[in-house]
Amino acid sequence: KQEVTQIPAALSVPEGENLVLNCSFTDSAIYNLQWFRQDPGKGLTSLLLIQSSQREQTSGRLNASLDKSSGRSTLYIAASQPGDSATYLCAVPSNSGYALNFGKGTSLLVTP
Amino acid sequence: DTGVSQDPRHKITKRGQNVTFRCDPISEHNRLYWYRQTLGQGPEFLTYFQNEAQLEKSRLLSDRFSAERPKGSFSTLEIQRTEQGDSAMYLCASSFAGSYNEQFFGPGTRLTVL
Repeated sequence: KQEVTQIPAALSVPEGENLVLNCSFTDSAIYNLQWFRQDPGKGLTSLLLIQSSQREQTSGRLNASLDKSSGRSTLYIAASQPGDSATYLCAVPSNSGYALNFGKGTSLLVTP
Repeated sequence: DTGVSQDPRHKITKRGQNVTFRCDPISEHNRLYWYRQTLGQGPEFLTYFQNEAQLEKSRLLSDRFSAERPKGSFSTLEIQRTEQGDSAMYLCASSFAGSYNEQFFGPGTRLTVL
């Protein structure tokens, strides 16, 4: 079964800092990886999807990288803002290819 | 609003009662998924539909759980004889085959079983 681990579990940074969230997965035979944001008590918002043939994907201040061979992905957030405070989740397809396997997330707090 | 919608947003019920949740996917999406999320955990997969066919079910989906997607449009998730352990956020997602299966989630239904 695909296992997904996210480090750190929680992170607190002052506004303006650049930061990196880490995601690792056990089975490298994936065809994509998705990063999500979740605000407390809310649903998930898709941030970025990286196809297996890509190494990076960018959206605004967010940049996600994927290294399939090592089973790792990183989400880089530039110039963090208090509005970035949320839980960030990464997910990879299961062996069946349809269901997503999620990590437990990284809880981010950006202080003014 | 063209996103995934779920109803109700919150449900409080007593142990032993039946509950039903509804999900309306993004209109052109032919794949629909149900997940369950408990506090401090990532979502866990429950079941998946392609059009009206239920193609995959997790071992988490006990006999008390049933899901349908008549006509390949909206979906319902029913829990019979609810237990306190069923308290969780139930999330619905949809995707379009051919879009690298990028999944888009609804706001969720928060279930509390007393």
